[in-house]
Amino acid sequence: DIVMTQTPLSLSVTLGQSASISCRSSQSLVHSGGNTFLSWLQQRPGQPPRLIIYKISDQFSGVPDRFSGSGAGTDFTLKISRVEAEDVGVYYCMQATQFPHTFGQGTKLEIK
Amino acid sequence: EVQLVESGGGLVQPGGSLRLSCTASGFTFSRYTMNWVRQAPGKGLEWVSYISAGSSTIYYADSVKGRFTVSRDNAKNSLYLQMNSLRDEDTAVYYCARVNSFGYAFDYWGQGTLVTVSS
Repeated sequence: DIVMTQTPLSLSVTLGQSASISCRSSQSLVHSGGNTFLSWLQQRPGQPPRLIIYKISDQFSGVPDRFSGSGAGTDFTLKISRVEAEDVGVYYCMQATQFPHTFGQGTKLEIK
Repeated sequence: EVQLVESGGGLVQPGGSLRLSCTASGFTFSRYTMNWVRQAPGKGLEWVSYISAGSSTIYYADSVKGRFTVSRDNAKNSLYLQMNSLRDEDTAVYYCARVNSFGYAFDYWGQGTLVTVSS
């Protein structure tokens, strides 16, 4: 199974500042078809997960452009520019290149 | 508007069975691959099962293989998860999630249904 490792596991950010979360996979996430199925999900308190980024860097519909994804192969990053109060929650990376699909442990974002 | 609504959760004793349902609306259900994902209380996300649009391809996590069965009825816009031989560690909120058609990610999630396995 592909192991997804996120760092840090918690993050305290001042409103208006940026935040960065790293996700590393135990093997390459490049699919045989050439795509890399790495996505990022946000889970606000008491809510189901919500897709924010897919295929490393594509923003899902309705997601503010403050959210951006980057990376390749085994190393990926989610960046949140100008953090707002509504960004509080847990962020997960997820790989869907291979079965079983696997998630990172989650990174809890709070406001300082 | 895309909506996914899970139901069927509840309290069950170890060794018991439960059937979860996920009812879809707002999109052509029969064209989309679906998954089940669960989240134990206070824990992270765990993928459980995958079923293709026409039910021809199915996958399970090792932790549920042989005990859980995923199925769908496209005429009823419904996804199911039959859970047998339940264990304490199956206690979780179970979410159904749609796979998007443009980049294999879980683009819409239901609100979840809580399954509690306890004597």
